[in-house]
Amino acid sequence: GESVGLHLPTLSVQEGDNSIINCAYSNSASDYFIWYKQESGKGPQFIIDIRSNMDKRQGQRVTVLLNKTVKHLSLQIAATQPGDSAVYFCAAQSSGGSYIPTFGRGTSLIVHP
Amino acid sequence: NAGVTQTPKFQVLKTGQSMTLQCAQDMNHNSMYWYRQDPGMGLRLIYYSASEGTTDKGEVPNGYNVSRLNKREFSLRLESAAPSQTSVYFCASKEGAGANVLTFGAGSRLTVL
Repeated sequence: GESVGLHLPTLSVQEGDNSIINCAYSNSASDYFIWYKQESGKGPQFIIDIRSNMDKRQGQRVTVLLNKTVKHLSLQIAATQPGDSAVYFCAAQSSGGSYIPTFGRGTSLIVHP
Repeated sequence: NAGVTQTPKFQVLKTGQSMTLQCAQDMNHNSMYWYRQDPGMGLRLIYYSASEGTTDKGEVPNGYNVSRLNKREFSLRLESAAPSQTSVYFCASKEGAGANVLTFGAGSRLTVL
C-alpha cells in the first residue's frame, strides 16, 4: 500500500525566512498530491495541490514542487509569518487506490518572531 | 455554510462503553471519511463511504462500525470502547471518488479510561 512520510517532525524558522517542508511517497502510481495545514485544535485545511503531470505549482506565498523520479514533494512558504505556525501534512492519492488520500505523519512548523 | 460538522467535540468514556460520533456535511459531497489522529502517527483512515449506500474499511477499522445514514450524514460507532481508541477523530468529505480535496470537520476528542 501507499506510505507517505515527512522528513522532519519539527521545523523552526525565524519570521521572514523561507520555509521548506519535505515529503516522500512510496507508490509510483500516485498521481495527485495535496498539502494541508492544521492549526492547533482544528481540522486540516487545504493549502495547495498538484497533479503528477506538473512539477511545480504556485499559490499565494506557497509553492509545491514535485519530483516523480525520486517520489518526493516539497512545500515552500515564502516570508514565513507567525500565523504559518501549524502542522503541515502531505497526502497522496492514486486512481488505482480509488483516490483515497494517504497522509504523511506531519511536520510541525514553528515560526519565531 | 457550515461545511463539515462533528459532534460531540469532547467525550470521556469508560472501557466497554459504547458511543457514536456524528458527522454531517452540507456541501452535497458524495464521499465521506473517518480518520483518527494520534501523536506522531498522522491521520489514519478508519472507514470511508465513496457514495451514499456504500462503506468500506480503511487502514484501522477494528473496533469501529460506520453508517452512511444518507448523503449528508456518516456516523462512526464504537461498540465497546478501549483505551487504545483514545484519539482525536476527524470526519472529512469530498465531492466524489476522484482526485479532489478533502474538507475536514473540527474533530472530536475521545478519551477512554
